[in-house]
Amino acid sequence: AQSVTQLGSHVSVSEGALVLLRCNYSSSVPPYLFWYVQYPNQGLQLLLKYTTGATLVKGINGFEAEFKKSETSFHLTKPSAHMSDAAEYFCAVSDRGGGGSQGNLIFGKGTKLSVKP
Amino acid sequence: NAGVTQTPKFQVLKTGQSMTLQCAQDMNHEYMSWYRQDPGMGLRLIHYSVGAGITDQGEVPNGYNVSRSTTEDFPLRLLSAAPSQTSVYFCASSYSFSNYGYTFGSGTRLTVV
Repeated sequence: AQSVTQLGSHVSVSEGALVLLRCNYSSSVPPYLFWYVQYPNQGLQLLLKYTTGATLVKGINGFEAEFKKSETSFHLTKPSAHMSDAAEYFCAVSDRGGGGSQGNLIFGKGTKLSVKP
Repeated sequence: NAGVTQTPKFQVLKTGQSMTLQCAQDMNHEYMSWYRQDPGMGLRLIHYSVGAGITDQGEVPNGYNVSRSTTEDFPLRLLSAAPSQTSVYFCASSYSFSNYGYTFGSGTRLTVV
């Protein structure tokens, strides 16, 4: 069964500092990987995704993530944090469907990012 | 385009009452799903549908029913509400269930007293 582990339920950085949010997954087959962001009292918005091809993927708002198969990781980074980045971030994994699997998204428990002025 | 529309945004129920959470999308997406979000638990899949007339259970289906009579609508029914169902509920849809990324509604915050 697939699972997603996000290290750190709460991460705090200073404005202008590097943002690093960690995500590790377990999957028996190469998965599809996603990062979503949730601002207070809102739904989830897709930040970026990895399906095939280049392992470094760029998303909205200056975020990027790198798929590392050997480490089963998909960490989210941003070189310089902005106050508007304060939100909760969710990593999610999906298998590729077929063989009885429906390819549903499995989410991690989330990491709340705080940005200090 | 409205995207995914959920109604109501807030609801308070008494234990044992029933209600239906509505979800509609206007993107002609085949795949739709319901998640619940609880503090520290992330999002957990309740039910999903891969097309009209086809539904299946997710990770936490007990106490919830769904049906999918049209491509656009995917209502979630609570038959007899319990305090454990106090949560924020999100509906999501996607063109393809696997690699396309989901579009989420803005959520329904449900409190059962």
